[in-house]
Amino acid sequence: DVKVTQSSRYLVKRTGEKVFLECVQDMDHENMFWYRQDPGLGLRLIYFSYDVKMKEKGDIPEGYSVSREKKERFSLILESASTNQTSMYLCASSLRETEAFFGQGTRLTVV
Amino acid sequence: ILNVEQSPQSLHVQEGDSTNFTCSFPSSNFYALHWYRWETAKSPEALFVMTLNGDEKKKGRISATLNTKEGYSYLYIKGSQPEDSATYLCAFITRGGKLIFGQGTELSVKP
Repeated sequence: DVKVTQSSRYLVKRTGEKVFLECVQDMDHENMFWYRQDPGLGLRLIYFSYDVKMKEKGDIPEGYSVSREKKERFSLILESASTNQTSMYLCASSLRETEAFFGQGTRLTVV
Repeated sequence: ILNVEQSPQSLHVQEGDSTNFTCSFPSSNFYALHWYRWETAKSPEALFVMTLNGDEKKKGRISATLNTKEGYSYLYIKGSQPEDSATYLCAFITRGGKLIFGQGTELSVKP
């Protein structure tokens, strides 16, 4: 079974903190994604990585950065968390253009 | 920004009703289209991966069609059951595997 694991289900952080969301997949997938999900807005792509150290901005990259030093791990970084980054964050991975597999999601609250 | 639109945004039906949703996407630079089902408290799971114009896919009571020339796909559910209640997402796939999602259709099936 493909497994995509996100490091936390729930996270509460303070405004201004640096926040790391980690995602690990065990199927040697080239592609990894970070999305955020807000009511009525579906899944919006923050960043996409198609290989180690390779990344591409999604539709809403402002306030976020990413790191992919190893193929199996894709990290989302909030440099200085703000309350408007309170959301559900989903990581996914895929083998090129085939179906994506998702992690369980991290619900981040910034207070 | 690639625009992927889904309609309706939400749908409430009675058990036994048949229903359908629409996904509209750019007809140029098409590579693939995916449909996902996202149940509450779970991760999105792929229903169909569609690549060819005229593709029709079926899984039990759920089927999908694809028209790449005019840029739309339909998802049909025949004889809806309460367990079909979920958010249905379509995703446009670019060459290289970037997934751009629509905002989803939230289906609620009442017994």
